[in-house]
Amino acid sequence: AAGVIQSPRHLIKEKRETATLKCYPIPRHDTVYWYQQGPGQDPQFLISFYEKMQSDKGSIPDRFSAQQFSDYHSELNMSSLELGDSALYFCASSLFRGPSNTGELFFGEGSRLTVL
Amino acid sequence: AQSVTQLGSHVSVSEGALVLLRCNYSSSVPPYLFWYVQYPNQGLQLLLKYTTGATLVKGINGFEAEFKKSETSFHLTKPSAHMSDAAEYFCAAQAGTALIFGKGTTLSVSS
Repeated sequence: AAGVIQSPRHLIKEKRETATLKCYPIPRHDTVYWYQQGPGQDPQFLISFYEKMQSDKGSIPDRFSAQQFSDYHSELNMSSLELGDSALYFCASSLFRGPSNTGELFFGEGSRLTVL
Repeated sequence: AQSVTQLGSHVSVSEGALVLLRCNYSSSVPPYLFWYVQYPNQGLQLLLKYTTGATLVKGINGFEAEFKKSETSFHLTKPSAHMSDAAEYFCAAQAGTALIFGKGTTLSVSS
């Protein structure tokens, strides 16, 4: 079965550079979530999109932005990278079933960003 | 605000022993609750979830969890640990449309 695809799997950037991560949800899933997991940390919710509109916002820095496109894939753009941005970035997708009943989230393998 | 607390950042058991990973949530309204497992350098895999109905939830790989509203708990158990169970386990609660995760518990299984 098709899973959530994230690219690139690994990315190395210098401080103050820009990075873009991509997420391709499971076919027919309409909701995408982005999470950041620092070394030895729990995943922190960044932002989510439903039908190409931002649906929820977590602890996403102002230097980061994201969007969901017409084919439901999503991109997370990170600018002015800092050392502390080094983390595993997970994307998850689900099929929206109502504001109080999120469908099961399926997570991708993650994109590991290293900022030097 | 919704929060999830996992008691014990590291749990060690012997192969064949009972596994108990603790999770408490804080909310005036019982949320939807989840347990995820993460193996090294991999994504998060759903073990089980509680939404409504039966409070004892069975998941994959022999794991189960019981929702106890009076204790605001959702502890994860497995009767007999296997070496392949060694991983990081995260309890999570739904807040809005997103999940809020606990800090995680590393399960070690020795032979």
